[in-house]
Amino acid sequence: EPEVTQTPSHQVTQMGQEVILRCVPISNHLYFYWYRQILGQKVEFLVSFYNNEISEKSEIFDDQFSVERPDGSNFTLKIRSTKLEDSAMYFCASRRDPGNTIYFGEGSWLTVV
Amino acid sequence: AQSVTQLDSHVSVSEGTPVLLRCNYSSSYSPSLFWYVQHPNKGLQLLLKYTSAATLVKGINGFEAEFKKSETSFHLTKPSAHMSDAAEYFCVVSDGGSARQLTFGSGTQLTVLP
Repeated sequence: EPEVTQTPSHQVTQMGQEVILRCVPISNHLYFYWYRQILGQKVEFLVSFYNNEISEKSEIFDDQFSVERPDGSNFTLKIRSTKLEDSAMYFCASRRDPGNTIYFGEGSWLTVV
Repeated sequence: AQSVTQLDSHVSVSEGTPVLLRCNYSSSYSPSLFWYVQHPNKGLQLLLKYTSAATLVKGINGFEAEFKKSETSFHLTKPSAHMSDAAEYFCVVSDGGSARQLTFGSGTQLTVLP
C-alpha cells in the first residue's frame, strides 16, 4: 500500500537553528498538510498546500515557518529559527482530493535544546 | 467552527471484552468523521471514516463506529479487545466548510489487560 514517508524520524537541534523536515507524499496526491503534536497535547493543524501554494494556515504557522514543494515529489517544512516550544512530533499528510482519506506519515520528532 | 470531544482520556479493558471509546462532535456543516489510531512510536493510521453514507461504519481490525446525528456522537466500538489494540485513539472531524483541515480530539489511551 502506498504511504507517506518522512525524514528524519528524529532530529535534535539547538535553539535558533534552522530545521527542514522532509516528506514524500503519495505520488498521485494533490493536497498536502503539516500537523504537529506537542508531547501530551492534541494534534494541531499547521498548514495545507495545494497547487503550489498555501491554501490555509493556522495561527501557529507564523513567519518562522515555511513550506515548499521543490521538485514535484518532496514536500518540506522549514522552521527558520527554532524555539524550545517548537519541540514536537511533526506529521506530514496527503490526500488525492478533499473527499478522500488523508494519509499520515510516521512523523518526525523534533527536539529543540 | 468545528470541535471534537473525546470523553475519556484513558480506557482500560480486559482482553476479550468489548471496547467503547466515546466521541462527540460539533460542526456547522455535514461533517466527515474519522477514527485514527497511533501505536507507540508510530504514525497515525486510519481505522475508519464516515462521509455521509451508511451511519454504521466498519473499519479495520474489527472496529466499527456509529454516526448518530441526533446525539452528535461517533463512538468507536469493538466486540472483543486484543492485546494489540493497546494504543492511542483519535476522533477527528472535518466539516468541509473549512479549508480541508481536520480537527483532532485530545485522544483516548486504550489499555488492554491480560
